[in-house]
Order: sequence, then C-alpha cells, then structure tokens
Amino acid sequence: EIVLTQSPGTLSLSPGERATLSCRASQSVSSSYLAWYQQKPGQAPRLLIYGASSRATGIPDRFSGSGSGTDFTLTVSRLEPEDFAVYYCQHYGSSQYTFGQGTKLEIK
Amino acid sequence: EVQLVESGGGLVQPGGSLRLSCAASGFTFSTYGMHWVRQAPGKGLEWVSGISDSGGSTIYADSVKGRFTISRDNSKNTLYLQMNSLRAEDTALYYCAKRVGTPRAFDYWGQGTLVTVSS
Repeated sequence: EIVLTQSPGTLSLSPGERATLSCRASQSVSSSYLAWYQQKPGQAPRLLIYGASSRATGIPDRFSGSGSGTDFTLTVSRLEPEDFAVYYCQHYGSSQYTFGQGTKLEIK
Repeated sequence: EVQLVESGGGLVQPGGSLRLSCAASGFTFSTYGMHWVRQAPGKGLEWVSGISDSGGSTIYADSVKGRFTISRDNSKNTLYLQMNSLRAEDTALYYCAKRVGTPRAFDYWGQGTLVTVSS
C-alpha cells in the first residue's frame, strides 16, 4: 500500500509570497495518477492539478505542479487571500486511491 | 452545470445500516466512473469506493470491504452506497465525486451527507 506524506503540516505565509508544498510517496508512483486538491472550511475539495502538472479547468496559472517518482510539489507562485486553505495530494494505483494527510496553508 | 447532490445520511447505531444516494446532473452520467470519499470530523480525506461507468467494476478501500456496497442506476443518474455493519469509525461526511477519465482524479464533488454512528 502506497502512503503519501505531505509536508509541512502547516505553512504560515503572507499574501504575495510563494508557497511550496511537498507530497512524498512511500514508493515510486506514476505521475499520471498524481493529483492535488484545495479544500476550504465547510466546502468540498476542488481539483487543482492532475497528472502531476496539468491544471484543472478554471484553475489560475499561479498554481503549478511538478515532480516524479516519489517526490511531488505544488507551488503557488504569489499567494492571494483566497488561497489560504488545506491542500491534499492524491494518487491512484493498484485499484486503490490514496490521499495525503494534508497541508494547512495559513496566513502569517 | 455539473451537480452532485448526496442524501441519506443520519444517525445510526453501531451495527446498523444506511444507504446513501447521489443524484447527478449536468453531464452524461453513464460515461463516467463515480466514487465515494469520506472525511471524519476535523480529519483528512479518505477514499471509500469507486464504480465504473457501466457499473460492471467496483473497488473498495480495505477499511470498508465486505461491509459497504457501491452501485449505480444509470437510468436514474444516481449513485448509491449501501453501508452495513456500521462502526463508530465510519462517522464522517460522505462525498460523492465524479472521476476524470484517464488521470484518475475527481473533478466534481457534491457537498456531502453526514453519517454519524453512535449509540
């Protein structure tokens, strides 16, 4: 079973700064099946990135994804006030879907 | 506009059963895989189960295998989750989600239905 570990658990930054969120897999995974989601309080998750680096429909280009093998990164180039939320990575493999535990991005 | 509306949640005693529904609209339901994902209060996301577009293939998380059954009725554009032998640890907000084809990600989510397992 693949385990996804996200770091840091909490990231405190200011609007306008750059955010870098990490997702590490316990073994090498296919980047084709690596996705990132944003979840705000009281809301359902929203798909940001799929296939490790492709932005979903309507997602601003300040969000980007990269990585391969065991290490994946979600970058928010310039934080807007609405970007402060919890972010999850997710992977599919061997008929199982796995989520990371999440990174909370909070306003400093 | 894609809409997914869950229903059927509620309070149930340990060992009891519940059937969740997810009514879909705004897309061709019969051509997409569908899934259930849950979130315990204050916790992260946990994938529960998925079903292929035709309903012919189903998959489950180990935590629910043998207790939960996913199904769909393409004539009614509705997804179901039959939950039996419920445990306290099944308490969560249950989301239905539409799967994006090949990337195996979830591009649309409902607002969830709350299941509470308690005596």
